Amino acid sequence: AQKVTQAQTEISVVEKEDVTLDCVYETRDTTYYLFWYKQPPSGELVFLIRRNSFDEQNEISGRYSWNFQKSTSSFNFTITASQVVDSAVYFCALSLIISGGYNKLIFGAGTRLAVHP
Amino acid sequence: NAGVMQNPRHLVRRRGQEARLRCSPMKGHSHVYWYRQLPEEGLKFMVYLQKENIIDESGMPKERFSAEFPKEGPSILRIQQVVRGDSAAYFCASSPSLAGGGEEQYFGPGTRLTVT
Repeated sequence: AQKVTQAQTEISVVEKEDVTLDCVYETRDTTYYLFWYKQPPSGELVFLIRRNSFDEQNEISGRYSWNFQKSTSSFNFTITASQVVDSAVYFCALSLIISGGYNKLIFGAGTRLAVHP
Repeated sequence: NAGVMQNPRHLVRRRGQEARLRCSPMKGHSHVYWYRQLPEEGLKFMVYLQKENIIDESGMPKERFSAEFPKEGPSILRIQQVVRGDSAAYFCASSPSLAGGGEEQYFGPGTRLTVT
């Protein structure tokens, strides 16, 4: 079964704290992609990162960093020195490559992050 | 380059009416996906279309829901005889031509459907 689990429903932090959002996925495929999206209060989905299953290097982009560990099927997301503008719902997603080459996304339930001043 | 456009952004329908949601993919994109987000939940895949073809509708409810992506014009998600349980945000995403999978899907702002 293909599945994405984001166990943390809600996280509340104070500005400047570091926060890690967990994502655990299940798939039997050897080739897949993982994504993180941000959904701010305005409701749109903002792409943050894509990582393929063959690339386990961690990635850092400004205050954001991602830790991909195939051994534990996890793709965790850390925000360093959080800011109020980081308040949003964050979704982790698994991309299944379907024969024919297209992909469909399996989303986790999301983690709502509230950053307080 | 305009992003994925969806309209309307908000739609209110009474039970039994029809809802038509429109999606214009990004320029040059010929692949469209529809997802539904129920309140307090993640997005769920509904259907994948290429121009004039439905490729995968495994996530679409069997009744009342249909989708199309004509040769000209936007993709349409149509819900007939809406019920309160259809209230949700419907997102459209597009991607460029296939190159083995894994391409980023660019999401539109969503249409929030409320059934009263």
